[in-house]
Amino acid sequence: DAGVTQSPTHLIKTRGQQVTLRCSPKSGHDTVSWYQQALGQGPQFIFQYYEEEERQRGNFPDRFSGHQFPNYSSELNVNALLLGDSALYLCASSLFMRGTALHFGNGTRLTVT
Amino acid sequence: TQLLEQSPQFLSIQEGENLTVYCNSSSVFSSLQWYRQEPGEGPVLLVTVVTGGEVKKLKRLTFQFGDARKDSSLHITAAQPGDTGLYLCAGPPLNNAGNMLTFGGGTRLMVKP
Repeated sequence: DAGVTQSPTHLIKTRGQQVTLRCSPKSGHDTVSWYQQALGQGPQFIFQYYEEEERQRGNFPDRFSGHQFPNYSSELNVNALLLGDSALYLCASSLFMRGTALHFGNGTRLTVT
Repeated sequence: TQLLEQSPQFLSIQEGENLTVYCNSSSVFSSLQWYRQEPGEGPVLLVTVVTGGEVKKLKRLTFQFGDARKDSSLHITAAQPGDTGLYLCAGPPLNNAGNMLTFGGGTRLMVKP
């Protein structure tokens, strides 16, 4: 039973570029959440997708957008990259119900130069 | 915004020593979770505490939820090098229907052989 898989594992981009990160949830899960983890800090919630709709959003600008596909996989898009967007981007899958456990992938390390 | 503060931020100890890390908030949480994250990997759930005053044990790890559900602690007995990692506490914000989490900043533990 595959867990949460994310691709790519590492990515280097230049300021102003756009990036797309991908996530496949754990089998049986219907909800995907994205978190940003800056170096030396705890993860910060970006947004959550369920039934192909954004259900909740954290304090992130509109440059951050996402999508969920019918097979529950998800993409995170970031436009007009800034140096401060350099971080580990974590995808977590779960069931939508409150209180269910999150299962995290190993993340995508994004470096913006 | 409900914030979780963790202390200490860094801890370096010798194998066999005991340690306690703390997770504090000025707000009440319906539950708190503890995760461990190793380099290059996503956070892995260790435990969820739900009831005020609750104590849960996981081998050499003891987790406690404060009576007022505003704080939690993690105590490790006879630490081993395999306990090295980033320990994160997290909780669902009140009045949040989904399962997004607010994370603390983490405690980075290094256990030297």
